[in-house]
Amino acid sequence: AQRVTQPEKLLSVFKGAPVELKCNYSYSGSPELFWYVQYSRQRLQLLLRHISRESIKGFTADLNKGETSFHLKKPFAQEEDSAMYYCALSGSGGNEKLTFGTGTRLTIIP
Amino acid sequence: DAGITQSPRHKVTETGTPVTLRCHQTENHRYMYWYRQDPGHGLRLIHYSYGVKDTDKGEVSDGYSVSRSKTEDFLLTLESATSSQTSVYFCAISAPGQPQHFGDGTRLSIL
Repeated sequence: AQRVTQPEKLLSVFKGAPVELKCNYSYSGSPELFWYVQYSRQRLQLLLRHISRESIKGFTADLNKGETSFHLKKPFAQEEDSAMYYCALSGSGGNEKLTFGTGTRLTIIP
Repeated sequence: DAGITQSPRHKVTETGTPVTLRCHQTENHRYMYWYRQDPGHGLRLIHYSYGVKDTDKGEVSDGYSVSRSKTEDFLLTLESATSSQTSVYFCAISAPGQPQHFGDGTRLSIL
Protein backbone atom coordinates (compact mmCIF):
# COMPACT_ATOMS: atom_id res chain seq x y z
CA ALA A 1 0.00 0.00 0.00
CA GLN A 2 1.17 3.51 -0.68
CA ARG A 3 1.56 5.96 2.15
CA VAL A 4 2.75 9.53 2.64
CA THR A 5 3.97 10.74 6.02
CA GLN A 6 4.37 14.36 7.03
CA PRO A 7 5.68 14.16 10.57
CA GLU A 8 5.13 17.82 11.50
CA LYS A 9 1.54 19.02 11.92
CA LEU A 10 2.70 22.53 12.78
CA LEU A 11 5.91 24.37 11.94
CA SER A 12 6.80 27.93 12.91
CA VAL A 13 9.75 29.71 11.34
CA PHE A 14 11.00 33.27 11.60
CA LYS A 15 10.93 35.43 8.51
CA GLY A 16 14.21 35.16 6.66
CA ALA A 17 15.09 31.80 8.20
CA PRO A 18 15.36 28.59 6.16
CA VAL A 19 12.34 26.33 5.86
CA GLU A 20 12.21 22.56 5.52
CA LEU A 21 8.95 20.62 5.44
CA LYS A 22 9.48 16.90 5.67
CA CYS A 23 7.78 14.26 3.56
CA ASN A 24 8.46 10.53 3.54
CA TYR A 25 6.70 7.97 1.43
CA SER A 26 6.29 4.25 0.96
CA TYR A 27 5.54 2.79 -2.43
CA SER A 28 6.66 -0.37 -4.17
CA GLY A 29 7.62 1.06 -7.53
CA SER A 30 8.51 4.40 -9.06
CA PRO A 31 6.16 7.02 -7.66
CA GLU A 32 5.53 10.55 -8.75
CA LEU A 33 5.71 13.09 -5.91
CA PHE A 34 4.00 16.47 -5.56
CA TRP A 35 3.74 19.34 -3.14
CA TYR A 36 0.44 21.22 -2.96
CA VAL A 37 -0.16 24.43 -1.00
CA GLN A 38 -3.41 25.72 0.43
CA TYR A 39 -3.62 29.33 1.53
CA SER A 40 -6.28 30.21 4.06
CA ARG A 41 -9.65 28.77 2.93
CA GLN A 42 -8.59 28.60 -0.71
CA ARG A 43 -8.26 25.78 -3.19
CA LEU A 44 -5.21 23.56 -3.24
CA GLN A 45 -2.60 24.74 -5.71
CA LEU A 46 0.17 22.68 -7.21
CA LEU A 47 3.50 23.96 -5.91
CA LEU A 48 5.99 21.41 -7.20
CA ARG A 49 6.13 18.20 -9.19
CA HIS A 50 9.32 16.19 -8.81
CA ILE A 51 9.75 15.32 -12.47
CA SER A 52 9.69 18.98 -13.53
CA ARG A 53 12.53 19.92 -11.14
CA GLU A 54 11.36 23.53 -11.09
CA SER A 55 11.70 26.11 -8.34
CA ILE A 56 8.38 27.78 -7.58
CA LYS A 57 8.17 30.79 -5.22
CA GLY A 58 11.70 29.93 -4.10
CA PHE A 59 10.75 26.40 -3.01
CA THR A 60 12.60 23.31 -4.17
CA ALA A 61 12.22 19.62 -3.45
CA ASP A 62 14.45 16.71 -4.38
CA LEU A 63 13.29 13.13 -4.58
CA ASN A 64 15.61 10.90 -2.55
CA LYS A 65 14.74 7.34 -3.47
CA GLY A 66 17.23 5.88 -1.00
CA GLU A 67 15.61 7.64 1.93
CA THR A 68 12.14 7.63 0.31
CA SER A 69 11.84 11.33 1.01
CA PHE A 70 10.68 14.43 -0.83
CA HIS A 71 11.37 17.28 1.56
CA LEU A 72 10.34 20.83 0.63
CA LYS A 73 12.91 23.56 1.20
CA LYS A 74 13.24 27.31 0.94
CA PRO A 75 16.35 29.21 1.97
CA PHE A 76 14.63 32.38 3.22
CA ALA A 77 11.06 32.27 4.52
CA GLN A 78 8.62 35.04 3.66
CA GLU A 79 5.42 35.98 5.48
CA GLU A 80 3.31 35.05 2.46
CA ASP A 81 4.58 31.46 2.77
CA SER A 82 2.27 30.90 5.73
CA ALA A 83 -0.11 28.18 4.54
CA MET A 84 -0.98 24.49 4.72
CA TYR A 85 1.35 22.27 2.73
CA TYR A 86 0.50 18.79 1.52
CA CYS A 87 2.84 16.19 0.10
CA ALA A 88 1.18 13.74 -2.29
CA LEU A 89 2.12 10.62 -4.21
CA SER A 90 0.84 9.14 -7.42
CA GLY A 91 1.68 5.65 -8.54
CA SER A 92 3.39 4.76 -11.77
CA GLY A 93 1.96 2.95 -14.75
CA GLY A 94 -0.92 5.28 -15.44
CA ASN A 95 -2.24 5.22 -11.90
CA GLU A 96 -3.31 8.82 -11.51
CA LYS A 97 -4.84 8.66 -8.03
CA LEU A 98 -3.19 10.78 -5.37
CA THR A 99 -2.42 9.73 -1.82
CA PHE A 100 -1.94 12.73 0.44
CA GLY A 101 -0.07 13.22 3.66
CA THR A 102 -1.88 14.78 6.60
CA GLY A 103 -0.35 18.19 5.91
CA THR A 104 1.93 20.66 7.68
CA ARG A 105 0.71 24.10 8.70
CA LEU A 106 3.57 26.52 8.22
CA THR A 107 3.51 29.82 10.09
CA ILE A 108 6.07 32.50 9.35
CA ILE A 109 6.77 34.71 12.33
CA PRO A 110 7.45 38.34 11.36
CA ASP B 1 -6.90 28.73 -12.62
CA ALA B 2 -8.34 25.55 -14.08
CA GLY B 3 -12.00 25.87 -15.06
CA ILE B 4 -13.54 23.95 -12.18
CA THR B 5 -16.74 25.02 -10.47
CA GLN B 6 -18.14 23.30 -7.40
CA SER B 7 -21.68 23.85 -6.24
CA PRO B 8 -22.97 24.58 -3.75
CA ARG B 9 -20.05 26.25 -1.96
CA HIS B 10 -21.69 25.88 1.43
CA LYS B 11 -24.50 23.66 2.63
CA VAL B 12 -26.07 22.86 5.98
CA THR B 13 -28.45 19.96 6.16
CA GLU B 14 -29.88 17.44 8.58
CA THR B 15 -28.93 13.85 9.27
CA GLY B 16 -30.74 11.42 7.02
CA THR B 17 -31.33 13.78 4.11
CA PRO B 18 -29.88 13.17 0.64
CA VAL B 19 -27.23 15.60 -0.59
CA THR B 20 -25.73 16.03 -4.05
CA LEU B 21 -22.60 18.01 -4.75
CA ARG B 22 -21.71 19.01 -8.28
CA CYS B 23 -18.36 19.46 -9.96
CA HIS B 24 -18.36 21.11 -13.37
CA GLN B 25 -15.27 21.55 -15.56
CA THR B 26 -14.67 23.46 -18.76
CA GLU B 27 -11.27 21.89 -19.51
CA ASN B 28 -12.57 18.73 -21.19
CA HIS B 29 -10.26 16.67 -18.97
CA ARG B 30 -10.85 12.97 -18.87
CA TYR B 31 -10.14 12.34 -15.19
CA MET B 32 -12.19 13.68 -12.28
CA TYR B 33 -11.93 13.02 -8.54
CA TRP B 34 -13.77 13.69 -5.30
CA TYR B 35 -11.83 14.13 -2.04
CA ARG B 36 -12.80 15.02 1.48
CA GLN B 37 -10.57 17.14 3.68
CA ASP B 38 -10.58 16.62 7.44
CA PRO B 39 -8.21 17.86 10.15
CA GLY B 40 -5.58 15.26 10.93
CA HIS B 41 -6.40 13.24 7.81
CA GLY B 42 -5.39 15.50 4.97
CA LEU B 43 -7.28 14.76 1.78
CA ARG B 44 -8.73 11.32 1.17
CA LEU B 45 -10.06 10.04 -2.12
CA ILE B 46 -13.77 9.18 -2.15
CA HIS B 47 -14.45 8.25 -5.78
CA TYR B 48 -12.87 8.92 -9.12
CA SER B 49 -13.74 8.75 -12.79
CA TYR B 50 -11.61 8.01 -15.81
CA GLY B 51 -14.33 8.88 -18.29
CA VAL B 52 -18.06 9.05 -18.90
CA LYS B 53 -19.80 6.25 -17.00
CA ASP B 54 -16.41 4.96 -15.82
CA THR B 55 -16.17 5.42 -12.07
CA ASP B 56 -14.50 3.59 -9.21
CA LYS B 57 -14.16 3.68 -5.45
CA GLY B 58 -11.46 5.42 -3.54
CA GLU B 59 -10.21 5.04 0.01
CA VAL B 60 -13.33 6.31 1.83
CA SER B 61 -16.25 5.49 -0.46
CA ASP B 62 -18.72 4.07 2.07
CA GLY B 63 -21.89 6.18 2.18
CA TYR B 64 -21.13 7.95 -1.10
CA SER B 65 -22.07 7.36 -4.71
CA VAL B 66 -21.06 9.18 -7.89
CA SER B 67 -22.26 9.62 -11.42
CA ARG B 68 -20.69 10.93 -14.57
CA SER B 69 -23.06 11.11 -17.53
CA LYS B 70 -21.14 13.91 -19.26
CA THR B 71 -17.44 14.68 -19.51
CA GLU B 72 -17.90 18.03 -17.78
CA ASP B 73 -19.95 16.96 -14.76
CA PHE B 74 -19.11 14.69 -11.84
CA LEU B 75 -21.77 14.38 -9.14
CA LEU B 76 -21.20 13.17 -5.59
CA THR B 77 -24.25 11.95 -3.67
CA LEU B 78 -24.70 11.24 -0.01
CA GLU B 79 -27.81 9.05 -0.03
CA SER B 80 -28.53 9.56 3.67
CA ALA B 81 -26.18 12.08 5.23
CA THR B 82 -24.58 11.38 8.60
CA SER B 83 -22.72 13.72 10.95
CA SER B 84 -19.46 11.91 10.15
CA GLN B 85 -19.77 13.23 6.60
CA THR B 86 -19.42 16.81 7.76
CA SER B 87 -16.34 17.90 5.88
CA VAL B 88 -14.91 20.03 3.12
CA TYR B 89 -15.25 18.33 -0.25
CA PHE B 90 -12.88 19.03 -3.11
CA CYS B 91 -13.22 18.08 -6.73
CA ALA B 92 -10.12 17.70 -8.89
CA ILE B 93 -9.52 17.18 -12.59
CA SER B 94 -6.57 16.07 -14.65
CA ALA B 95 -5.52 15.04 -18.10
CA PRO B 96 -3.61 11.73 -18.37
CA GLY B 97 -0.05 12.16 -17.10
CA GLN B 98 -0.72 15.66 -15.84
CA PRO B 99 -1.08 16.96 -12.25
CA GLN B 100 -4.47 17.32 -10.67
CA HIS B 101 -6.06 20.74 -10.31
CA PHE B 102 -8.60 21.44 -7.61
CA GLY B 103 -11.85 23.32 -7.26
CA ASP B 104 -12.67 25.79 -4.49
CA GLY B 105 -14.34 23.19 -2.30
CA THR B 106 -17.77 22.70 -0.75
CA ARG B 107 -18.15 23.12 2.97
CA LEU B 108 -20.83 20.65 4.11
CA SER B 109 -22.26 20.60 7.62
CA ILE B 110 -24.63 17.84 8.70
CA LEU B 111 -26.52 18.50 11.90
